Amino acid sequence: ETGVTQTPRHLVMGMTNKKSLKCEQHLGHNAMYWYKQSAKKPLELMFVYSLEERVENNSVPSRFSPECPNSSHLFLHLHTLQPEDSALYLCASSQDFDGLVNEQFFGPGTRLTVL
Amino acid sequence: ILNVEQSPQSLHVQEGDSTNFTCSFPSSNFYALHWYRWETAKSPEALFVMTLNGDEKKKGRISATLNTKEGYSYLYIKGSQPEDSATYLCAFDYGGATNKLIFGTGTLLAVQP
Repeated sequence: ETGVTQTPRHLVMGMTNKKSLKCEQHLGHNAMYWYKQSAKKPLELMFVYSLEERVENNSVPSRFSPECPNSSHLFLHLHTLQPEDSALYLCASSQDFDGLVNEQFFGPGTRLTVL
Repeated sequence: ILNVEQSPQSLHVQEGDSTNFTCSFPSSNFYALHWYRWETAKSPEALFVMTLNGDEKKKGRISATLNTKEGYSYLYIKGSQPEDSATYLCAFDYGGATNKLIFGTGTLLAVQP
């Protein structure tokens, strides 16, 4: 176990649905990340939160809306998704130290299918 | 555009074989190179974080080397076992304020008993 949990593990939704992915880290870290992995592609960074503030938005469409209410929890709110958004969504966390290499710890991911 | 390449894409070996994979990354703005092991339906698990040119790290039967001047890292597995079957990811870390990692597509290793 990496100390990062994600729910649900699998999600099937229609294009008009609204759903949320949840991530929780039990490591005392201060930075959290959302990644997307589509088939045959590398992990792509979507969002970065550091000290509960969004510090990176990697040109992600507005139908993906992240929320970080505290340093242990991260959500990804989904609405009016497209079938091409079907992918594995991974959450990660790290302890953000200036000047030091920060190792990221990953959750197991949510497999999302958009019909 | 920063690009990280891993080869081969997949590898099938017999139990007991030794094997190695390559990760190529930009040779400029290097901060660190991360290796992860990712079993199906589980979380990617950190194997090594490498920062110095010429670094060699070892964990059991798995070891890794780093050449930052030419931009590559090798991962070696000695005497592969079926439980080594997984996707091995490398990620290029160029530092910066937000700890962004640029991932390769991974090498899928299947070890047959």
